[in-house]
Amino acid sequence: KAGVTQTPRYLIKTRGQQVTLSCSPISGHRSVSWYQQTPGQGLQFLFEYFSETQRNKGNFPGRFSGRQFSNSRSEMNVSTLELGDSALYLCASSLGTGGMNTEAFFGQGTRLTVV
Amino acid sequence: TQLLEQSPQFLSIQEGENLTVYCNSSSVFSSLQWYRQEPGEGPVLLVTVVTGGEVKKLKRLTFQFGDARKDSSLHITAAQPGDTGLYLCAGRGGSQGNLIFGKGTKLSVKP
Repeated sequence: KAGVTQTPRYLIKTRGQQVTLSCSPISGHRSVSWYQQTPGQGLQFLFEYFSETQRNKGNFPGRFSGRQFSNSRSEMNVSTLELGDSALYLCASSLGTGGMNTEAFFGQGTRLTVV
Repeated sequence: TQLLEQSPQFLSIQEGENLTVYCNSSSVFSSLQWYRQEPGEGPVLLVTVVTGGEVKKLKRLTFQFGDARKDSSLHITAAQPGDTGLYLCAGRGGSQGNLIFGKGTKLSVKP
């Protein structure tokens, strides 16, 4: 059974540009969550999608957005990139969501560097 | 806001030593998960503890969930260089049950 696949693995962008990251969850998983990981802040929750609907959102500005498709694949978009957006972006998939106590399985992440 | 505090933040030990890392909160969690993350990779799930007082063993790793379900610990016996990594605890919290992570314990095991 294939794991969570994130593309691309590495990305270098210039300030002001926008970027789209992709995540394919484990087959059969309907929940996809996104996290930003930086050395200083650790793993911070961005948002969660379940059945194409955003279920929950963390405390990030509106420049960060996402969506989920009918096949559960998800994308996140960051517009008007800032230097501080440089981070490892992680996607996690779960069977269910919220209070169902389902375990999250992570992809390898996309390393975004903003110059 | 539910927070998970992990300690110590850094730990450097020699191969063969034992160690314990802690994950504490003032809030109750319905479950806690432990992950290990290697540089440049995503976290890998090690275990989920659900019941207060529960103890789970995974080879040389022992995980314990506090009776009040507010804290957890990870004990490693006879650490090996392959145990090196960032150990993260996470609990489902918030109004809609998203995973909340501690900042992790960075473990280095020297041969």
